[in-house]
Amino acid sequence: LAKTTQPISMDSYEGQEVNITCSHNNIATNDYITWYQQFPSQGPRFIIQGYKTKVTNEVASLFIPADRKSSTLSLPRVSLSDTAVYYCLVEALMFSGGYNKLIFGAGTRLAVHP
Amino acid sequence: DAGVIQSPRHEVTEMGQEVTLRCKPISGHDYLFWYRQTMMRGLELLIYFNNNVPIDDSGMPEDRFSAKMPNASFSTLKIQPSEPRDSAVYFCASSLLGGIQETQYFGPGTRLLVL
Repeated sequence: LAKTTQPISMDSYEGQEVNITCSHNNIATNDYITWYQQFPSQGPRFIIQGYKTKVTNEVASLFIPADRKSSTLSLPRVSLSDTAVYYCLVEALMFSGGYNKLIFGAGTRLAVHP
Repeated sequence: DAGVIQSPRHEVTEMGQEVTLRCKPISGHDYLFWYRQTMMRGLELLIYFNNNVPIDDSGMPEDRFSAKMPNASFSTLKIQPSEPRDSAVYFCASSLLGGIQETQYFGPGTRLLVL
């Protein structure tokens, strides 16, 4: 299973765009890249998932270069409520049971300041 | 839908006592997962069920931990006897199906403190 590396923490200010880059050098052909968000005292929450190029939803964008060895989560115009831990995961299909095994790393602690 | 429901939200117990954590997955979801989160080890998968059947329990730390899913709407994680190193936040998650692109929905967690 591919390991991910991302910054331990980041700081930003309200209204700024935040980009969190994750490296996953040994990603496999069938793996997807998934990002989760976790607020204090809550469970992780799915944000976005992608395989290649760019994916955008109402919350964020995910940029994946052609070699797929890294990915960047982009949060447009962050607010104080975006303060959370962001986890980058490489999601591999486990053939025994056919479920998607989520391996959580340490995550990136994002602090948004007024 | 109410989402994944866990109880209790907080549990404080003494070493040696039995602890039972409960989870109600989202209705219709076939997969249920139990995770544990600590500062030292982060978020780690303990066990998961598919259609009420335990499929992979390789993450269960030792025999003191057991999990059951008697029906599609209820699962328990039991620790007997509990130890201080079991102190953590325990999350339950469920997904509609298995496989990539199936989102796992997490509950609010149970914060366990073993004294």
